[in-house]
Amino acid sequence: GENVEQHPSTLSVQEGDSAVIKCTYSDSASNYFPWYKQELGKRPQLIIDIRSNVGEKKDQRIAVTLNKTAKHFSLHITETQPEDSAVYFCAACMVTGGGNKLTFGTGTQLKVEL
Amino acid sequence: EAQVTQNPRYLITVTGKKLTVTCSQNMNHEYMSWYRQDPGLGLRQIYYSMNVEVTDKGDVPEGYKVSRKEKRNFPLILESPSPNQTSLYFCASSFRGRGAMNTEAFFGQGTRLTVV
Repeated sequence: GENVEQHPSTLSVQEGDSAVIKCTYSDSASNYFPWYKQELGKRPQLIIDIRSNVGEKKDQRIAVTLNKTAKHFSLHITETQPEDSAVYFCAACMVTGGGNKLTFGTGTQLKVEL
Repeated sequence: EAQVTQNPRYLITVTGKKLTVTCSQNMNHEYMSWYRQDPGLGLRQIYYSMNVEVTDKGDVPEGYKVSRKEKRNFPLILESPSPNQTSLYFCASSFRGRGAMNTEAFFGQGTRLTVV
C-alpha cells in the first residue's frame, strides 16, 4: 500500500519568514495530493491540493509543488503569520471510481513566533 | 450548511463496554471513512465505505466495526473497547473520484475517546 513520509515533525519560524514542509510517497499510481491544516482542537481542513498532471499550484501565500519522478511534494508558506501556527498534514491518494483512500503523513507542527 | 457531524465529542468509558460513535453527512457523498489520530502517527484509516452496504477495512481495523445502511450515516462501533483504543477519532466523507474531480474530504469535529 501507499506510504507517506513527512518532514520535519516540528518547524519554528519567525513571523514573515517562509516555511517549507516536505513529503514523499511510495505508490507511483497516486494522483492526488492534498494538504490539510489542523488548528488546536479543531478538525483537519483542506488548504490546497494538487493533481498529478500539474507541477505547481499557488493560492495567495501558500503553494504546493509536485515532482512525480522523485515522488515528492512540498508545501510552501510565505510571509508567515501567527495564525499559520497549526499542524499540517500531507496526504497521497489514488483517485479511482472506487473511492479516494487518503494516506496521511505524520504531520508537521508549525509554530510562527512573533 | 454542508457538514459532517460526529457524536459524541467526548467520551470516557470502561474496558469492555460496547459503544457507538455516530457520523452523519448531508452532502450526498458516496465515500465515507473513519480515522484515528494519535501523536506522532498522523491520521490512520480504520474502515471505509464506498457506498451503501459496501464497507472495507482500512489500515488499522482491529477492534472496530462499521455499518452503512444509509448513505448519510456511517457509525463506528467498538464492541469491547480496550485502553489502546484511547484516541481522537475523525469521520470523513467525499465524493467518489471520477477523473480526480471533487475529491475533497470533509472531516467531522472529532470524538475524543478515553477507555479506562
